[in-house]
Amino acid sequence: NAGVTQTPKFQVLKTGQSMTLQCAQDMNHNSMYWYRQDPGMGLRLIYYSASEGTTDKGEVPNGYNVSRLNKREFSLRLESAAPSQTSVYFCASSEWGLPYQPQHFGDGTRLSIL
Amino acid sequence: DAKTTQPPSMDCAEGRAANLPCNHSTISGNEYVYWYRQIHSQGPQYIIHGLKNNETNEMASLIITEDRKSSTLILPHATLRDTAVYYCIVRGNNDYKLSFGAGTTVTVRA
Repeated sequence: NAGVTQTPKFQVLKTGQSMTLQCAQDMNHNSMYWYRQDPGMGLRLIYYSASEGTTDKGEVPNGYNVSRLNKREFSLRLESAAPSQTSVYFCASSEWGLPYQPQHFGDGTRLSIL
Repeated sequence: DAKTTQPPSMDCAEGRAANLPCNHSTISGNEYVYWYRQIHSQGPQYIIHGLKNNETNEMASLIITEDRKSSTLILPHATLRDTAVYYCIVRGNNDYKLSFGAGTTVTVRA
């Protein structure tokens, strides 16, 4: 059971470089999410996709773009990386419906921007 | 605005039950209580959720008070692998995100 797979697991970038974080889920979930977690803090939602073909901003969307490539894949792009974007990025997926179904998380991408 | 209050840390002896409290005094009628945990360097893991009835699954039990202002997550037989940060989250039907607070750091000791 792969669940939610994130690539890469680690990455170091220089300020101004661009990068795309990849996420894929094999649970046939409709909804997918991108969160970031800074040291000693809880997760904050960056963007989410309620269903294939839709994306919406979360709490901290500035500096990021997303693409829901298909039902399985949801990518997060940093167009011009900044040191403030150094963080651990988690992708999650869930079924869609009421009540909201639990989200299942990947193991994260650890991103450092110098 | 924090919707939940949890103790910052607690210890538990291996093999004993771990009872993790959570206060959510402002919870509204359509909001659920979710519990997640995060083991070091891993993504959060869903444990259990409930509305007003007590719930049990293979991982844990969730006890919600009758007035729904607090709840307790019970790990019936804690193991060293249960050492993690445990998050109690209140989430309504219109909430797309999970709002993670500071959680409770649970250390299971041999």
